[in-house]
Amino acid sequence: NAGVTQTPKFQVLKTGQSMTLQCAQDMNHNSMYWYRQDPGMGLRLIYYSASEGTTDKGEVPNGYNVSRLNKREFSLRLESAAPSQTSVYFCASSEFPLSGLSTEAFFGQGTRLTVV
Amino acid sequence: RKEVEQDPGPFNVPEGATVAFNCTYSNSASQSFFWYRQDCRKEPKLLMSVYSSGNEDGRFTAQLNRASQYISLLIRDSKLSDSATYLCVVERESSASKIIFGSGTRLSIRP
Repeated sequence: NAGVTQTPKFQVLKTGQSMTLQCAQDMNHNSMYWYRQDPGMGLRLIYYSASEGTTDKGEVPNGYNVSRLNKREFSLRLESAAPSQTSVYFCASSEFPLSGLSTEAFFGQGTRLTVV
Repeated sequence: RKEVEQDPGPFNVPEGATVAFNCTYSNSASQSFFWYRQDCRKEPKLLMSVYSSGNEDGRFTAQLNRASQYISLLIRDSKLSDSATYLCVVERESSASKIIFGSGTRLSIRP
C-alpha cells in the first residue's frame, strides 16, 4: 500500500532553474496539500486542493504554482528557484478538506530541495 | 509571536520516565487541536486528536486548557521508540488554510 508518493526525494537546483515536484496518492482522497518545512519552523502550507479541479493558496504561495492533474496527482512547480526555497517539501492528502471533522493527513516522505 | 508555540527541547529522559510538554496557541477562536509525531527526516503522522474533555490512548494522554490556551501531551512509561519530534497542530477555522503546525518539541529517550 503506497499511500502518498513524492518524487524526487532529493534535488539540487541552481538559482533560476525550474522544476516540478510530483505527488500521487492511491487512497482515493479528495484533498491534497503541499507544505514546506524549514528548521525551527512548523510546516507551512504552500497550496492546497480541496477537491479535483480546485486549488487555493496557502500561507506561503509566492514563487510556486500547482496543478491538480487528476484526483490522484498534485504537482508543485518552482518556475525560477531561489535560495530561499531551500527546504523540505511534503505532499499530503486527506479524505475530506482538513477540518475538525476529519483531520488526519497522510504525508509523503518528503523532498529535500537545495537551491544554490 | 508565533500563533502556535512549542518548547523545541530537546527533552532528554530515561526509559520508563513520564514526560509532558505543552503547546500554547494565541488565537482564542481556535477550534480543533492535534498532536502529530515526526521521526527524524521522516514525514509527520497523526498521533492523536485533543478533545475538550481530554483523551487517552494507551500511554499517551492529551489535554486541552481553553482558558489558558494550551494543550499538553503526557507520555507515561516512555519507550526508546517514543524518541521523535512532536508537532502541535491547531485549527483556527474549518479550512485547510487555517491549520497551523507548531515547530515541534524534540524528545529523546535514553536507555
